[in-house]
Amino acid sequence: ETGVTQSPTHLIKTRGQQVTLRCSSQSGHNTVSWYQQALGQGPQFIFQYYREEENGRGNFPPRFSGLQFPNYSSELNVNALELDDSALYLCASSSEGNTIYFGEGSWLTVV
Amino acid sequence: DQQVKQNSPSLSVQEGRISILNCDYTNSMFDYFLWYKKYPAEGPTFLISISSIKDKNEDGRFTVFLNKSAKHLSLHIVPSQPGDSAVYFCAARHGSSNTGKLIFGQGTTLQVKP
Repeated sequence: ETGVTQSPTHLIKTRGQQVTLRCSSQSGHNTVSWYQQALGQGPQFIFQYYREEENGRGNFPPRFSGLQFPNYSSELNVNALELDDSALYLCASSSEGNTIYFGEGSWLTVV
Repeated sequence: DQQVKQNSPSLSVQEGRISILNCDYTNSMFDYFLWYKKYPAEGPTFLISISSIKDKNEDGRFTVFLNKSAKHLSLHIVPSQPGDSAVYFCAARHGSSNTGKLIFGQGTTLQVKP
């Protein structure tokens, strides 16, 4: 039990649609990061939020965006969904210098 | 450009024996390394970590070794148990400001046979 919760656990969307995934961070953690994990691959860093501001981004297009709220919960938004966006999306929370803890993930299927 | 590599996709060991999972990296700026275990349909679970100022860290059955000159780290599990069967990911980070940014390897699937 990591204290990081994500919703929804599974969802199916149509190509071109938009999706919002949600994450509740572990208590006391002020940094949230999002990862995409395709089948057979390791998680790929999308971006990181620290105190409500994005402060690091991986190699993902602008249609991947996020928000972090004052209570440190977070959203990942993906616009104009493509078939290749089908993956497990992982949220992770951390605090300065400490270990990163992951949620169970949200499985997104784009058809 | 894979900065963290796990060259063995799978490993099979007998229960009670040692499991050794390997990881290589290319970026000398990495200063913190972590190992995660992942079961199907679950998120990665933190196992053990090591700072670049150390060469060994031990936690129960798990020991991580870091060889900075070779840019190589390994995870030893002794003794291996059937419940250890999972996918193991090596991850690296550089800079305390990048707390949430990890670079992962591709993973190694460990099977521990009873």
